[in-house]
Amino acid sequence: ETGVTQSPTHLIKTRGQQVTLRCSSQSGHNTVSWYQQALGQGPQFIFQYYREEENGRGNFPPRFSGLQFPNYSSELNVNALELDDSALYLCASSGSSGRTSDTQYFGPGTRLTVL
Amino acid sequence: AQSVTQPDIHITVSEGASLELRCNYSYGATPYLFWYVQSPGQGLQLLLKYFSGDTLVQGIKGFEAEFKRSQSSFNLRKPSVHWSDAAEYFCAVGAAAGNNRKLIWGLGTSLAVNP
Repeated sequence: ETGVTQSPTHLIKTRGQQVTLRCSSQSGHNTVSWYQQALGQGPQFIFQYYREEENGRGNFPPRFSGLQFPNYSSELNVNALELDDSALYLCASSGSSGRTSDTQYFGPGTRLTVL
Repeated sequence: AQSVTQPDIHITVSEGASLELRCNYSYGATPYLFWYVQSPGQGLQLLLKYFSGDTLVQGIKGFEAEFKRSQSSFNLRKPSVHWSDAAEYFCAVGAAAGNNRKLIWGLGTSLAVNP
């Protein structure tokens, strides 16, 4: 069974640029959640996708957007990058029951640095 | 407002000593509770979770946690700490009802283990 994978591992961008982060969910999982973890902080929920539809969003501006594909992999897009967007971006996939009791399995994250 | 508080930012224990990491939550609905561990440069790994039933839950790596509704707490314990337990520990809470599986996270407790 393949775990959650994310790409790229590290990324450096400049202010104003756009970035796309990718996540492949664990086999059998239909839900992907994205989190932003700033240095020394806990993860902050960005949004979640369930069966290709957005299923909840945290307090992030619209320049944070996402997609989920038919194979349940997902992308996180961030437009007009700001310095404060520098963080570890974590993707988590969870199972098919549609309930909170589904354990979220996390990928290793993408470290984004905005200069 | 929904929140998770981990009062201890940093804890140092000696190898072989017992450990208790504190977690308090504020949540309007019946909560699901989780403890995750994050090693440097790694993603988050689930240690244990509480949904219902026995308030003392057992997890991986010899960890356990006790849910105390009257105190809104979900403290993590381990009777004898190993050097490999040095990591960042996060408590999280999620909604038991509905289809929103957003998790709210504490800021984490950094654990150092002295030989």
